[in-house]
Amino acid sequence: EVQLVESGGGLVQPGGSLRLSCAASGFTFSSYWMSWVRQAPGKGLEWVANIKQDGSEKYYVDSVKGRFTISRDNAKNSLYLQMNSLRAEDTAVYYCARDLGRRPLGYYGMDVWGQGTTVTVSS
Amino acid sequence: DIQMTQSPSSVSASVGDRVTITCRASQGISSWLAWYQQKPGKAPKLLIYAASSLQSGVPSRFSGSGSGTDFTLTISSLQPEDFATYYCQQANSFPRDSGFGPGTKVDIK
Repeated sequence: EVQLVESGGGLVQPGGSLRLSCAASGFTFSSYWMSWVRQAPGKGLEWVANIKQDGSEKYYVDSVKGRFTISRDNAKNSLYLQMNSLRAEDTAVYYCARDLGRRPLGYYGMDVWGQGTTVTVSS
Repeated sequence: DIQMTQSPSSVSASVGDRVTITCRASQGISSWLAWYQQKPGKAPKLLIYAASSLQSGVPSRFSGSGSGTDFTLTISSLQPEDFATYYCQQANSFPRDSGFGPGTKVDIK
């Protein structure tokens, strides 16, 4: 079964750090772009970051640049998001997703999602 | 940056109704667009990719159309399990940016 399972969320004080993990199974993890997407309470979806199959390219939404770092370990079939200097506005459910990227017909979307892990930034 | 808008922001409909949701990009994005369904407390689910291609396993009552700046998601005959929030996502500058629209909530009339 193709599956993504996030972990590592929790309550953290403003300015603190947290590392999220996403364990992949049931597919060849190293063959896919991977993304983190978050959703603040009662709000819409926000793409946060993505990483190329071999980790050589990484991209971030402006609001997290310099604070968050996406990484992956293909040997462990795992995706990570290191979050530093956390702010109240980073409070959200964080999802990892398999991103099929752009192909000849168009953008193929994020076809596999985890269940999400909740990050709460509060004093 | 490309901005995505969706209309309406919410719609009340009955089972069996035809529902159309519009997504508009601030500049042309060709077919670099996907649609998702999200139910409360659940992860999003991919419905449509490349603007008009139906994801495997998604019922045929869902369809997508459009190219450039204007896109449409249509549910031909609304079913009870379709009450959810729907998001469009553009990937014109993938992998540098993959922004989502603000969402359209479909609820029971």
